[in-house]
Amino acid sequence: QKEVEQNSGPLSVPEGAIASLNCTYSDRGSQSFFWYRQYSGKSPELIMFIYSNGDKEDGRFTAQLNKASQYVSLLIRDSQPSDSATYLCASNQAGTALIFGKGTTLSVSS
Amino acid sequence: DAGITQSPRHKVTETGTPVTLRCHQTENHRYMYWYRQDPGHGLRLIHYSYGVKDTDKGEVSDGYSVSRSKTEDFLLTLESATSSQTSVYFCAIKSGTDGNTIYFGEGSWLTVV
Repeated sequence: QKEVEQNSGPLSVPEGAIASLNCTYSDRGSQSFFWYRQYSGKSPELIMFIYSNGDKEDGRFTAQLNKASQYVSLLIRDSQPSDSATYLCASNQAGTALIFGKGTTLSVSS
Repeated sequence: DAGITQSPRHKVTETGTPVTLRCHQTENHRYMYWYRQDPGHGLRLIHYSYGVKDTDKGEVSDGYSVSRSKTEDFLLTLESATSSQTSVYFCAIKSGTDGNTIYFGEGSWLTVV
């Protein structure tokens, strides 16, 4: 069964620190990987996606993909209290729906 | 804003009653999805559609049916609601750009009592 695994947390970091969120996936056929942020009581919103090995940066966020290790991570630099949320990792193969991990709760303290 | 509207946003219903949730999109996306989200389980796919009258089952489809008679509308029906179907239901569409990202509607909170 295709799975995406995340540590549920909570991950607690002080304001201004780097938060590192990790995700592993079981299906080697997975091609694209996504990070979503979800605030309590709200719908998931896309942060970024990545499909090539290496790093992809967007503002304070960096996604990292290592297909050999089946590992995806999200780094949040200069973490802010407003980054406190649940972060969802997802993967897919071409033509299929996204498979989501259960999410990691991040808490940024001021 | 992906142009997705879900209705109703909140509903309380009794066990054994039928319930239909509606997802409406305005941007002519081909793919539409219904997910449910529960504590400890994350987001799980119920059904999805890849065109008008073209649908397929997801991971947790038992007890649910769907219909898509128009591109813009994707309906999720609980034929006879059970307490285990108390959940938050999210409709989503797949963008043809953005790496085939999916975008979610605002969610429908369903309580079955």
